[in-house]
Amino acid sequence: ILNVEQSPQSLHVQEGDSTNFTCSFPSSNFYALHWYRWETAKSPEALFVMTLNGDEKKKGRISATLNTKEGYSYLYIKGSQPEDSATYLCAFGAGNMLTFGGGTRLMVKP
Amino acid sequence: SQTIHQWPATLVQPVGSPLSLECTVEGTSNPNLYWYRQAAGRGLQLLFYSVGIGQISSEVPQNLSASRPQDRQFILSSKKLLLSDSGFYLCAWSPGRGFVDTQYFGPGTRLTVL
Repeated sequence: ILNVEQSPQSLHVQEGDSTNFTCSFPSSNFYALHWYRWETAKSPEALFVMTLNGDEKKKGRISATLNTKEGYSYLYIKGSQPEDSATYLCAFGAGNMLTFGGGTRLMVKP
Repeated sequence: SQTIHQWPATLVQPVGSPLSLECTVEGTSNPNLYWYRQAAGRGLQLLFYSVGIGQISSEVPQNLSASRPQDRQFILSSKKLLLSDSGFYLCAWSPGRGFVDTQYFGPGTRLTVL
């Protein structure tokens, strides 16, 4: 059973704050690490998929980094906005299968 | 473009009643299909996946079953629901090509078993 951990479980920030959270995963037999954003009453939306050690991906104010040797990925949000409020999920990908972490629930106060 | 549909959106069922949740995908052929559940306060747990018609793999022994009668249709069933079956059920599809395969999720079904 793969162990994918996310921290913190929840996070409250003020509008304009920058924030980051962590996903840790097994460092052996690595294929891919996925990040999803899951807003209330919507489907989880794919943000990034990263495959190479040192990968860095960016989408607007959101970016992610990957360290496959030590088994972690960081997701950063610069200048958080209320519309960033969501649960952010990471998933360890191996072929057809994704193993999800428990998610980090972000709440941005105006 | 591809779209994925799930129904119903919400369902309230008594303990011991049967269940049928349906998922269909449009705009692609021979997708991989997945059923996940999110129980209260927990992450997404993979229940079943399918790489083709009639091919179902179960990840967790449970009270549920899945079927894939057509290429783009995936059904989650139970003969007798338990209280512990309550949760949010998500269907997902992926292209099923290569080692890096993004999954795309449907809108989900909120199931409450009373």
